[in-house]
Amino acid sequence: QQQVKQSPQSLIVQKGGISIINCAYENTAFDYFPWYQQFPGKGPALLIAIRPDVSEKKEGRFTISFNKSAKQFSLHIMDSQPGDSATYFCAASNNAGNMLTFGGGTRLMVKP
Amino acid sequence: KAGVTQTPRYLIKTRGQQVTLSCSPISGHRSVSWYQQTPGQGLQFLFEYFSETQRNKGNFPGRFSGRQFSNSRSEMNVSTLELGDSALYLCASSGTGSGEKLFFGSGTQLSVL
Repeated sequence: QQQVKQSPQSLIVQKGGISIINCAYENTAFDYFPWYQQFPGKGPALLIAIRPDVSEKKEGRFTISFNKSAKQFSLHIMDSQPGDSATYFCAASNNAGNMLTFGGGTRLMVKP
Repeated sequence: KAGVTQTPRYLIKTRGQQVTLSCSPISGHRSVSWYQQTPGQGLQFLFEYFSETQRNKGNFPGRFSGRQFSNSRSEMNVSTLELGDSALYLCASSGTGSGEKLFFGSGTQLSVL
């Protein structure tokens, strides 16, 4: 059972545009929602994370929007750059260790 | 500060063999988690060790096992390899708490022929 659904699977954005990736979860026990960025040949690296007590968190060009009632959260990348081209994963976990449930991933391509 | 180190980087094995992968966490980190990444199934949690004890376990058969040593280094073992075990195996380390930032290594790419 996939507990975190991510969309779209792939995304093409022009340089300077906004990239938006969405995730939905089922398990209401989840209380930590990170986003990871992965480049080819590398492991995932944490971009930004949010907990359910806030609806939005911004770090530089990256913003997480969180809707607890809808059980959805999204990543917005403002002013997207070619260097942002990578695969992005949303994830979720509960307060029971570091066991992350990942979404299926979104392959982002930012065209110059 | 050195990152998470995984060895070997690449492995080729045949069906029925067993394999051991190694992970050295960031100095001071006591939690080590293992994930399997495949194009079809994505990133899936295998297990987590904290202070030499398994703290969480994912939905994988008993052929997949792991352990953690007193210096926090961890190994995972896969016995009786199957073709479907071909994957990138990622190790991640974090500090003592739950829901903390995970630092991933670059993984071990296992190919089963």
